Amino acid sequence: QVQLVESGGGLVKPGGSLRLSCAASGFTFSDYYMTWIRQAPGKGLEWLSYISNSGDSKYYADSVKGRFTISRDNAKNSLYLQMNSLRADDTAIYYCARDRLMWDAFDVWGQGTMVTVSS
Amino acid sequence: QLMLTQSPSASASLGGSVKLTCTLSGGHSSYAIAWHQQQPEKGPRYLMKVYSDGSHTKGDGIPDRFSASSSGAARYLIISSLKFEDEADYYCQAWGTGMHTFGGGTKVTVL
Repeated sequence: QVQLVESGGGLVKPGGSLRLSCAASGFTFSDYYMTWIRQAPGKGLEWLSYISNSGDSKYYADSVKGRFTISRDNAKNSLYLQMNSLRADDTAIYYCARDRLMWDAFDVWGQGTMVTVSS
Repeated sequence: QLMLTQSPSASASLGGSVKLTCTLSGGHSSYAIAWHQQQPEKGPRYLMKVYSDGSHTKGDGIPDRFSASSSGAARYLIISSLKFEDEADYYCQAWGTGMHTFGGGTKVTVL
């Protein structure tokens, strides 16, 4: 079945780096735009970054621009988020999701991976 | 700037119905939006996409109890025959040039 599984979360010190992965299965990954979204504890959803199906186009929220980098490997059916210069307010559950078409609704979500930034 | 506004909370009785509102910011009243459900301790789930004319496209397996409508800049999610499992946070999502955005979410309580 269609599935997204995130991994790579954990505890990291302020200023540190972390790379999240999202493994896709059950659909033709290379056909879809993909995205990362996060949810801080007790808060709502925040869109972070978006990548075209080829990986040529990338978009970022102002809150992470210059610190986070989205990428994908279509041969491995995988999406990534490289997070640098992490801050305490980056503490959140990070979700990957699939865009239904192109610039459309997110119709498949992963279960999330927790990132905690603390000394 | 594209923004979405949702009421923080809503409640209704078991078996009843509730209507949630997501309002698009000025100049964006023709935009479609999507509704997502997040049950406690779970990841979000796509419910449906709602167009400005009120038509909607549901995700796989979404029951008929969930429907939608539109009026001007407002997009509605209507849940009928409420079940305890419908107690969740509901988020609307919209997209524009180079960005996506979410509303603040509405917490639905089933009494």
